[in-house]
Amino acid sequence: GQQVMQIPQYQHVQEGEDFTTYCNSSTTLSNIQWYKQRPGGHPVFLIQLVKSGEVKKQKRLTFQFGEAKKNSSLHITATQTTDVGTYFCAGRYGGATNKLIFGTGTLLAVQP
Amino acid sequence: DGGITQSPKYLFRKEGQNVTLSCEQNLNHDAMYWYRQDPGQGLRLIYYSQIVNDFQKGDIAEGYSVSREKKESFPLTVTSAQKNPTAFYLCASSMPGQGIEEQYFGPGTRLTVT
Repeated sequence: GQQVMQIPQYQHVQEGEDFTTYCNSSTTLSNIQWYKQRPGGHPVFLIQLVKSGEVKKQKRLTFQFGEAKKNSSLHITATQTTDVGTYFCAGRYGGATNKLIFGTGTLLAVQP
Repeated sequence: DGGITQSPKYLFRKEGQNVTLSCEQNLNHDAMYWYRQDPGQGLRLIYYSQIVNDFQKGDIAEGYSVSREKKESFPLTVTSAQKNPTAFYLCASSMPGQGIEEQYFGPGTRLTVT
């Protein structure tokens, strides 16, 4: 079946260090979305990538979509304590159902 | 304020009882979804509905049932046939065909079955 793998499962960094989480799909995606879930909260949409090789930035966050549209990454520069939470990628394969397949998420802990 | 509401926030039930989780949205979205989240795991799709009076099974539909009689409402029933019902349940909605089809999530219901 369609699966989206995400690594690492957990990352602990010192405030100010960089952080990256990676998503991989075995089959081509039509697009990929990223969500952030704060501890005790619900997922909140961050961004959607559609084009092959696309790169988008939101302040300290950089999102990339691979050339083959099978992988994606989220990079945070100079982490802050407000970045704490679980980051999920969610791939869409298109077709009749058009449903999202969520990755397992990466839990980011930031030590002040 | 537009958004999605789920009630209750915490729910406790005895094994063998059916329980219905509420999800209401006033975003005028056509599509609605139910996900289950277990500790350390991603979101797994239980059921989704792309339009009123229609719904499809997701990846883990066994032991669950839904209805979509109104656009605003998509209740989920966790039946006694669900073997491991204790989990965090998230409802979401979206508007297909709008370019960026982001999903808006409710605050979730944490169900504990003993």
